[in-house]
Parts: sequence; structure tokens; C-alpha cells
Amino acid sequence: KAGVTQTPRYLIKTRGQQVTLSCSPISGHRSVSWYQQTPGQGLQFLFEYFSETQRNKGNFPGRFSGRQFSNSRSEMNVSTLELGDSALYLCASSWDGQVKDTQYFGPGTRLTVL
Amino acid sequence: AQTVTQSQPEMSVQEAETVTLSCTYDTSENNYYLFWYKQPPSRQMILVIRQEAYKQQNATENRFSVNFQKAAKSFSLKISDSQLGDTAMYFCAFRAGGTSYGKLTFGQGTILTVHP
Repeated sequence: KAGVTQTPRYLIKTRGQQVTLSCSPISGHRSVSWYQQTPGQGLQFLFEYFSETQRNKGNFPGRFSGRQFSNSRSEMNVSTLELGDSALYLCASSWDGQVKDTQYFGPGTRLTVL
Repeated sequence: AQTVTQSQPEMSVQEAETVTLSCTYDTSENNYYLFWYKQPPSRQMILVIRQEAYKQQNATENRFSVNFQKAAKSFSLKISDSQLGDTAMYFCAFRAGGTSYGKLTFGQGTILTVHP
């Protein structure tokens, strides 16, 4: 079974631009979570989607948004990029996002904002 | 809110020896899971081991085992017979029940270096 895939793997953008990252979950997984990883703040939860609905959200500004499609693929969008948005963005998929469910991570998208 | 603390920013161990990574957490939840993930230089997060809070028996996966002390809110990872491939950043993570759908709360991580 193929793992979680994320595209693109690397991105360079400039301040003020917007960016869209994509995540394809493991086949059969319906829950997709997104995390931001930075050296200063560590790993922080952005949001989770299940059956095209956002069920949970972390403490990030509204510039960070996401969506999920009927095939469970998910995208996250960051508008009006700031230098501090430079990070590794990880997505993780699981069966249904419940407490006993194990999350499997993708390789991440490295975003650099200049 | 839940918090996870890893007090050892860096650890090192000789190949074939045993090392223990520490993790403490704070929560008022009764239904939760704890995880250890490793992140090698490739940055791919890999699940090492998981523990259900309701189970008193400590989880074991080959060379990896945990010491789960629920009352002390402690969840340490023991790696036996360390191998060079164990070199990675290790994250302790907490997962609550209820409406915390899809959310893992991570500690700050411990960089483990295995020396030949």
C-alpha cells in the first residue's frame, strides 16, 4: 500500500504571495491532519479534515486554510505569506482521526519564504 | 490543554548499548494514547511505538519498549541494542479522545546520536 504523498517537496516563495500544498493520504484513510514544523516552535497542529469537513483546528491565523476532496486528498493554502511561515509542512493520514487511530506521515513540503 | 515535555534536547549512545529517552505530559483526560515517533535526517516521521492509557502493560516493539507511569504522567522510551540507523530526532506525542480529532500534541524532541 502506498504511503502518504505530499507535493511539492520544496517551494520557494516571496512575502505576500500565496501557496497551496497538496497531500494524498494512504488509500482508505479518510482523516488528514496538517502540521507545521519549525526549529523555534516545534511541531504544531494546523487542522484536521474528515469527509470533506474540518473537524478540528489549531491556533493559527486565518491566512492558513485547507480543504479536503471527496477522494480524501487534502490541500492547505497559506495566503499573504510572511517570513515566519518558512517551515516544513507535514500531513498525516489515518483511518478516522479518532483517539486510537495511528497517524502516518508524509515526507513533508519544505516552504521557504524570502 | 495538554502539554508534552521532553527534557533532554540531545542524547548520545554507543552502538549496541541501551538508551532511555524521557517524556512527561500533563492532561486531565482519562482517554488518551501516547506515541513515540522518530524523524531521521530525511525528515520522514516514522511511528516507533504507541501506548493506550488504559493498558497497564508497557508496550514493546522489538528493540523498543516504553515505561509508562500513568500516575506520574511519564512515558519514557528505551532503545536496546542501539543501531546506527536509530540516529534521529525522537518525538513524544499525546493524543486525546473527545473532540481532539486528528490532533497530536508533540514534545520538543530529543536528538539521538548513535556512535559506532
